[in-house]
Amino acid sequence: KQEVTQIPAALSVPEGENLVLNCSFTDSAIYNLQWFRQDPGKGLTSLLLIQSSQREQTSGRLNASLDKSSGRSTLYIAASQPGDSATYLCAVVTDSWGKLQFGAGTQVVVTP
Amino acid sequence: GAVVSQHPSWVICKSGTSVKIECRSLDFQATTMFWYRQFPKQSLMLMATSNEGSKATYEQGVEKDKFLINHASLTLSTLTVTSAHPEDSSFYICSATPQRGASYEQYFGPGTRLTVT
Repeated sequence: KQEVTQIPAALSVPEGENLVLNCSFTDSAIYNLQWFRQDPGKGLTSLLLIQSSQREQTSGRLNASLDKSSGRSTLYIAASQPGDSATYLCAVVTDSWGKLQFGAGTQVVVTP
Repeated sequence: GAVVSQHPSWVICKSGTSVKIECRSLDFQATTMFWYRQFPKQSLMLMATSNEGSKATYEQGVEKDKFLINHASLTLSTLTVTSAHPEDSSFYICSATPQRGASYEQYFGPGTRLTVT
């Protein structure tokens, strides 16, 4: 059974520092991996989608890498801002219907 | 583009009553929609996969007679919580996969907060 783990569970950094969020999964047979952001009491915002054949994706200050063989993905957020404070979730697609298996998330606080 | 809406955004109901939550894809067609629930400070747990025109597929441990899912069109899926009880109080979120290509990217609705008193 696929298990998705995110470390650390919580992270607090001063503004301007780079953020590194880790995600690991036990079964490398995934279709793709997605990173999401969730603000308190809100739905999810898709940040990056990495197909299983890709090794990384970039969007602005965000960069996500994927190493399928080792079952790991890392989300980098450069030059963090207070507005980056949120919970970040990674999820893997495990079947052809697109079923997502989520990690527990990393709660990020960026202090001014 | 790729906007998913949910209605209502929050609802309070009495124990024993039923509540319907709508999930709509506003600017794309979604052959598949998913329903999740999220308890406070926990991650999302998939409840069921909803395919247009066919019966929903429920995850293990989810009571299909309690959580009725209907996917009547390519833009609308509904979740009805029947005979709701306080333990059904949760944050319910839907997502939809656009009917284009094979990217499987999912777009999420803003969620519905259900409180059962």
